[in-house]
Amino acid sequence: NAGVTQTPKFQVLKTGQSMTLQCAQDMNHNSMYWYRQDPGMGLRLIYYSASEGTTDKGEVPNGYNVSRLNKREFSLRLESAAPSQTSVYFCASSKTDPGSNIQYFGAGTRLSVL
Amino acid sequence: GQSLEQPSEVTAVEGAIVQINCTYQTSGFYGLSWYQQHDGGAPTFLSYNALDGLEETGRFSSFLSRSDSYGYLLLQELQMKDSASYFCAVEDDRDDKIIFGKGTRLHILP
Repeated sequence: NAGVTQTPKFQVLKTGQSMTLQCAQDMNHNSMYWYRQDPGMGLRLIYYSASEGTTDKGEVPNGYNVSRLNKREFSLRLESAAPSQTSVYFCASSKTDPGSNIQYFGAGTRLSVL
Repeated sequence: GQSLEQPSEVTAVEGAIVQINCTYQTSGFYGLSWYQQHDGGAPTFLSYNALDGLEETGRFSSFLSRSDSYGYLLLQELQMKDSASYFCAVEDDRDDKIIFGKGTRLHILP
């Protein structure tokens, strides 16, 4: 029972390079989320997808794009990485069940942009 | 605007009781949840309150007062493994997302 799986676990990029962070869940959840976590800043929502085929911006979407490929997979793309995007990225999923939005997180991707 | 306030750090002694407070100001509200995160790990769900009152789960309890926009997490019989960061989070009733506080780092002394 894998839950939420993120790849890669670690990545180092040079400024201007692009990459895609992958996320997959096997819990048949409708909703998926991408967060970034910086020291002292808590978890900030980048994008989320309430259902297959829909995506919406969160608090800090600039510099990122997302794709909800199917119900299981939700990817995050950095088109031109910047040092300000050095962070830990977490993917999460939840049922679309108002009144009990319990989120299940992947192990995270630690990204450094030089 | 939307904001959640919680202390940045709390220190307590092993075996004692500690309370982590959270006040929130959000446009929409379904409920308040709490997550635990150990260093280097992912956040994990601890508890959820939709109604006023106390919810108990083992050594952990969580309280909500909707009229005061306030909640707390109570940890009893503290163990060294409880050293972690704790986040409160509000479920927004306008859409399908939750808003996290900045987290409280809990230090436990032997």
